[in-house]
Amino acid sequence: GAGVSQSPSNKVTEKGKDVELRCDPISGHTALYWYRQSLGQGLEFLIYFQGNSAPDKSGLPSDRFSAERTGGSVSTLTIQRTQQEDSAVYLCASSRSGISTDTQYFGPGTRLTVL
Amino acid sequence: TQLLEQSPQFLSIQEGENLTVYCNSSSVFSSLQWYRQEPGEGPVLLVTVVTGGEVKKLKRLTFQFGDARKDSSLHITAAQPGDTGLYLCAGAPGFGTSGSRLTFGEGTQLTVNP
Repeated sequence: GAGVSQSPSNKVTEKGKDVELRCDPISGHTALYWYRQSLGQGLEFLIYFQGNSAPDKSGLPSDRFSAERTGGSVSTLTIQRTQQEDSAVYLCASSRSGISTDTQYFGPGTRLTVL
Repeated sequence: TQLLEQSPQFLSIQEGENLTVYCNSSSVFSSLQWYRQEPGEGPVLLVTVVTGGEVKKLKRLTFQFGDARKDSSLHITAAQPGDTGLYLCAGAPGFGTSGSRLTFGEGTQLTVNP
C-alpha cells in the first residue's frame, strides 16, 4: 500500500508570508505526528493527533504554527508570517494506533526555505 | 523534558571495520527506536527495543537497550559502503496522553569508505 505522502516536497517563500504543508497518512492509521528537522538541531516533535482526541500541541514553537487534521486523515501544518528560522524539513509520520511501540512511518518531508 | 544525547555525531570508517553508536539519557523511556535516514527521505525504522537489557540483532547490526532503559547502543560489524547514512535514536516516554511522541537524538552521520 501507499506510504505517507507530503506536499509540496520543496517550498521557497519570502519572510512574512504564510505557508501550508500537507500530509496524507497511511490509510487506517489513527495517529499522526509532525516533526521538524533542522541542521544542528536534529528532529524535534511539533504536534500529535490521535483519533478524535484533542491534539498535543506542546511542541509547536510559537503561536504562528498551527495544524489541523480533517476527518481523521489528511493533516495541514500552517505557518503564519514565516521567519528565516522556520527554514527546515518538516516531516509527517503516522502509526496504526499511537501506542509507544507502534512503528511510526515517515513521509519524505517538505523542505521549507524562508528567504 | 526528556533529552537524548547521541554520539559520535560524525563517523568515517573504512569498509570492514566495526563501529558503535551510543544514545544516552538521564530519563527512562518505555521504548527506544533506531532509525536510518537517507538524503531526501524520511527516517525508516530499523528496530524497537522495549525491555531493559534487551539485545536485538538485524544481520550485521546489534542493538542493545540498557538495563535501566535510559541508554542504548547500535553496533555494526564489518561495515559496508551500503551502511552509509544518518542513524537516529529516538525514545518514547510511554505515559501520558502522548506517550508515543518521540524524542530524537541529534543523529550520527556514518560514512563507510570502500
